[in-house]
Amino acid sequence: QSALTQPASVSGSPGQSITISCAGTSSDVGGYDFVSWYQQHPGKAPKLVIYEVSNRPSGVSHRFSGSKSGDTASLTISGLQAEDEADYYCSSYTSSSISRVLFGGGTKLTVL
Amino acid sequence: QVQVVESGGGVVQPGRSLRLSCAASGFSFSGYAMHWVRQAPGKGLEWVAVISYDGSNKYYADSVKGRFIISRDNSKNTLYLQMNGLRAEDTALYYCAPYSSGWYGDYWGQGTLVTVSS
Repeated sequence: QSALTQPASVSGSPGQSITISCAGTSSDVGGYDFVSWYQQHPGKAPKLVIYEVSNRPSGVSHRFSGSKSGDTASLTISGLQAEDEADYYCSSYTSSSISRVLFGGGTKLTVL
Repeated sequence: QVQVVESGGGVVQPGRSLRLSCAASGFSFSGYAMHWVRQAPGKGLEWVAVISYDGSNKYYADSVKGRFIISRDNSKNTLYLQMNGLRAEDTALYYCAPYSSGWYGDYWGQGTLVTVSS
């Protein structure tokens, strides 16, 4: 089962907005609203920032938002701040007969 | 508060076995599906396996199917991962996480490091 496809890196200046894409198929991203996004700072455990495509957990900044169109999901971070610099991973449920969860390869966000 | 603590990692030779444990507290363990996710040094997250809340359903990534076995003991609030036939490519930090019904993990431990090397 192939991983979901994310850009390797994105960058933006403080205050700007960036969007990270996550491409899948109709068996995962496109077929279910079970897309989640995780933020990971170096040496730290992953932290959930978006679940079920567009929901924000309690305590996550409103600057984080998620959406989906067809087989591609997106994470948008507005009003970039230095603390947003991290790796971001998308994940989706998959109806594959073998596995059940896929992760994207990860995107390194650099705040210039 | 919700806490998951992974243990059992270490250095092991190729072909040998290792069992990881994940002790859970602060939530109704028996009501949650539990997952293992790993991260090789400098690499991305890779999903490994899931077990349903009652242990009746288990699924694995292609890369570990037939070698790894996920299990749980709800009386002890503990999740396990039996890893057999270990390979160098299994070297990673292994995380456990309870997943909500929407297939997302909202609580993660700090992981336990497994190094497969001769």
